[in-house]
Parts: sequence; C-alpha cells; structure tokens
Amino acid sequence: DQQVKQNSPSLSVQEGRISILNCDYTNSMFDYFLWYKKYPAEGPTFLISISSIKDKNEDGRFTVFLNKSAKHLSLHIVPSQPGDSAVYFCAAKPLRGANSKLTFGKGITLSVRP
Amino acid sequence: NAGVTQTPKFQVLKTGQSMTLQCAQDMNHEYMSWYRQDPGMGLRLIHYSVGAGITDQGEVPNGYNVSRSTTEDFPLRLLSAAPSQTSVYFCASSSRTADTQYFGPGTRLTVL
Repeated sequence: DQQVKQNSPSLSVQEGRISILNCDYTNSMFDYFLWYKKYPAEGPTFLISISSIKDKNEDGRFTVFLNKSAKHLSLHIVPSQPGDSAVYFCAAKPLRGANSKLTFGKGITLSVRP
Repeated sequence: NAGVTQTPKFQVLKTGQSMTLQCAQDMNHEYMSWYRQDPGMGLRLIHYSVGAGITDQGEVPNGYNVSRSTTEDFPLRLLSAAPSQTSVYFCASSSRTADTQYFGPGTRLTVL
C-alpha cells in the first residue's frame, strides 16, 4: 500500500514558466513533509520542507503548499530553469526528528526545455 | 568535510556471492540508514540505525544485514546475492534532532 503517491511520472515545462509537482498521501499520521531533488548518478539532496501546522513554505524560487484536509501537497518552481531538470521525490514522516522514518514517493522526472 | 561517502560506486556480482557495501559519514550523525532505488519504486528503506550498537529493519530488509560498531560507519552486507537485489543503493545520515537526511552518491549493484 503506497502511502505517498506521485502519480505523474514526468513533467515537461518551458524555461521561465511555472513547474507544479504534485504529491498525495494516505497516512493521516504524517506530520512533516519534504521534497528531495536528485540528479543522475548522484544522491538525493534536500530541497524544501513543510510542517503540518503550516500551509505554505517558500524558499527562493521554490514554494511548497500543503492542503492537509485533502492530504495533498505541491511543489511550485517559478521561474523554471534548465538546471531544475531532475527527479523530485516527495517524502513524509509522522514525527519531527531523525528517529521518525521517511516514506518516499516514486518520484517525478522534471524536464525544463530551454 | 566529506559528508556521506559510499564505496564502491559500481559492482557486478554473480548469484550467490556475498559482498559489503560501505558507508561512512564524518558529521558525527547518530542516525544512518540504507535505501534502495528501483525504477518506478522510489526510495525504500532497508535498515536503519539510531546510534552505535543499535539497528532496526526498514521496509525491505530481507537478504540484507547491517551492523553499527562506530558512529561513522554503517556497512550493508549481502550474504547471498540474488538478481532481485540489482538496484542502486543509497546511504543517508542525519543528526538526532534533524528532519532532513544527507545522502551519499550511491552504489549501483548488478547481480547476474
């Protein structure tokens, strides 16, 4: 049973436009959500996170929105750049702190066209 | 500060062979974990450790053993490799109070 779902395997966007990456979850115990970015032949790197007490968190070009009632979060990248082309993983955990295990989605491959 | 390092980067095994994937971190992180990434499956947790001498199973532990004798090292052992263990393996670490994990560059393993 997949608890974190990224239903669209890929997304292609024109440079300068907005990229919207979606993520849904089923476990109501999840309390903290993270996005990781992964380039080929590299390990994932942390991008941005949000706590369930917030509905928005912004960091430069990256904004994550959380709709807790719909169990849905989205990552917005504005403006998109060719260097943003990567696989993006949504992840969730039930508690703050390292001892709370992360559950990852399958990932979305973002391609930003010049 | 090298962060999280993994060796080897690539490995080819025959069915039934054994090997150890090495993982080390120099950030004095208490928490370390192993994931595997398969096409269309995302990252799945194999084993994790909350400190030296303490390990526990993740989502897909079968066929793998771990130990944590020091804070820095967290090796993953395949006792008898199977083709189903062909995957990319990532080691990660974080401090006890942190929410984010730092990942190593990965080991690409092929079992023939």
